[in-house]
Amino acid sequence: QKEVEQNSGPLSVPEGAIASLNCTYSDRVSQSFFWYRQYSGKSPELIMSIYSNGDKEDGRFTAQLNKASQYVSLLIRDSQPSDSATYLCAVNRGYGQNFVFGPGTRLSVLP
Amino acid sequence: SAVISQKPSRDICQRGTSLTIQCQVDSQVTMMFWYRQQPGQSLTLIATANQGSEATYESGFVIDKFPISRPNLTFSTLTVSNMSPEDSSIYLCSVKLAGVYEQYFGPGTRLTVT
Repeated sequence: QKEVEQNSGPLSVPEGAIASLNCTYSDRVSQSFFWYRQYSGKSPELIMSIYSNGDKEDGRFTAQLNKASQYVSLLIRDSQPSDSATYLCAVNRGYGQNFVFGPGTRLSVLP
Repeated sequence: SAVISQKPSRDICQRGTSLTIQCQVDSQVTMMFWYRQQPGQSLTLIATANQGSEATYESGFVIDKFPISRPNLTFSTLTVSNMSPEDSSIYLCSVKLAGVYEQYFGPGTRLTVT
């Protein structure tokens, strides 16, 4: 089992819809979870971090964490074409500060 | 966050040669990391650059191939040695600030080995 898995893409949604991105992780002791957005040819940009079970909202973005299910998700409301990018889920490894990245999900928002 | 720069931004190198990539941060950071992103792939951690001591390498990466230096709290270098076409990747440095868990990435160095 891979350490961090994400739903395979590409994911296409129409403009204005909700995009749902999912991530599961294998290490039960992981405590820190992050979502990065990476535009083609650019470096990853941090968009959300979450540490506690439940929801965390920031503008159009909502991160959801369920440690019992080892699951973290990112919802993008009112999706815009500018949201089209690859979204990377990152999880800290064990009790340390190193990250393990998932394979990424490519999102396309269609005008 | 911090302002992170990398040099060079891109390079084309011949096999068998070495390239040193620099990462500079505008403020002191607690941790610096080097990642590789192969074409169409996600990020893989190469090593943690430790200030004043040897880097901590991940499984599959060795110091002879990827020597790393971190002489102070704002600067690190990664050398890709004896390059082969398989080393063609984007190399990214990231930093972690004191008191937070997030990592922030530099713009990356796109390396092509011919």
